[in-house]
Amino acid sequence: DAGVTQSPTHLIKTRGQQVTLRCSPKSGHDTVSWYQQALGQGPQFIFQYYEEEERQRGNFPDRFSGHQFPNYSSELNVNALLLGDSALYLCASSLGANQETQYFGPGTRLLVL
Amino acid sequence: GESVGLHLPTLSVQEGDNSIINCAYSNSASDYFIWYKQESGKGPQFIIDIRSNMDKRQGQRVTVLLNKTVKHLSLQIAATQPGDSAVYFCAETPQGGKLIFGQGTELSVKP
Repeated sequence: DAGVTQSPTHLIKTRGQQVTLRCSPKSGHDTVSWYQQALGQGPQFIFQYYEEEERQRGNFPDRFSGHQFPNYSSELNVNALLLGDSALYLCASSLGANQETQYFGPGTRLLVL
Repeated sequence: GESVGLHLPTLSVQEGDNSIINCAYSNSASDYFIWYKQESGKGPQFIIDIRSNMDKRQGQRVTVLLNKTVKHLSLQIAATQPGDSAVYFCAETPQGGKLIFGQGTELSVKP
């Protein structure tokens, strides 16, 4: 049973660039949530996708956008990168969009120079 | 605002002892809580969860206690092992699927 997978594992970008991160949910799951984790902090909720729509969004600017595909996989896009966007980006999947257990992937480490 | 906080940022225990990690939450509307373990360089790993209609739930070597009166959550790890060394996060779900995490407690197990 495949768990949550994310790609790439690491990424280096420069300020102003755009980045796309990818996530495949755990087998059988249909909901994907994205989180940003700064060093030494807990993960912060970015948004959640269910039935190919953004269902809930955290306090992140419009530079952060996403997409969910018919196979439930998801992408996180960040435009006009800032130094402060450097973080570990985590994807979590669950069955259903409400209060169900979320299982996390290994994350993508993004460094913005 | 909404927040989940931890009383102790670091905890050091001897191998074989029991560990207790505490967490306070502020949103009385939260009715689902999860504990995660995060090892260095990895994503958070689900440990145990509890819903607000319960005050205690046990897993393998772990127990979660929920006190809704004082909005307090704790994770107890029995017979702590070196492999338990990690950062532990509690998280709450006040609405929908959004998880709100605390800052985390680093557990260090001395052999």
